[in-house]
Amino acid sequence: EAGVAQSPRYKIIEKRQSVAFWCNPISGHATLYWYQQILGQGPKLLIQFQNNGVVDDSQLPKDRFSAERLKGVDSTLKIQPAKLEDSAVYLCASSSTSGGLTDTQYFGPGTRLTVL
Amino acid sequence: GEDVEQSLFLSVREGDSSVINCTYTDSSSTYLYWYKQEPGAGLQLLTYIFSNMDMKQDQRLTVLLNKKDKHLSLRIADTQTGDSAIYFCAERSGGSYIPTFGRGTSLIVHP
Repeated sequence: EAGVAQSPRYKIIEKRQSVAFWCNPISGHATLYWYQQILGQGPKLLIQFQNNGVVDDSQLPKDRFSAERLKGVDSTLKIQPAKLEDSAVYLCASSSTSGGLTDTQYFGPGTRLTVL
Repeated sequence: GEDVEQSLFLSVREGDSSVINCTYTDSSSTYLYWYKQEPGAGLQLLTYIFSNMDMKQDQRLTVLLNKKDKHLSLRIADTQTGDSAIYFCAERSGGSYIPTFGRGTSLIVHP
């Protein structure tokens, strides 16, 4: 079974530029998560999708971040415009059900973003 | 709000036991997790424990929970160099699907 795929693995941009990340979850997984992991910290949830609907985006900075999962499979996360403090690893995860107790989240390798 | 605290570093000799500690503040925490993150990789769920349990053992891993003190620990027996990674403690309360993560403990295993 293929794991969660993310691209690109690394991205370097200048502040005020735009950037987009792509995630392909494990086949058949209904739930998809985007996390932001700043160096030296644990992951922080940005947004959770159930199929193509948003379940939780309370911690997504909506003035500059957007995410979509139009067909309930792949997802993109966009930052426009980027700030220095957006430098982090962006992790995508998926799970097969709706996030219950024993629902295991499988994580991708992440995209490391550096904003100069 | 919720807060999860971990020490940042732990260094052990190969073959010894490692004990990684975690404290949390949310008294309504119901589920507690340990994740492992190897360099350049995403997080891997190692084990989890319900708040009505005191201990859970899974091969070389032993999780101890002291709910009164809000203290969670992960013991790795016979630590190997392949265990070198960052270990994250996470908790969530029953009403939320989303775990709150600590900053992670970097485990270094030397020969």
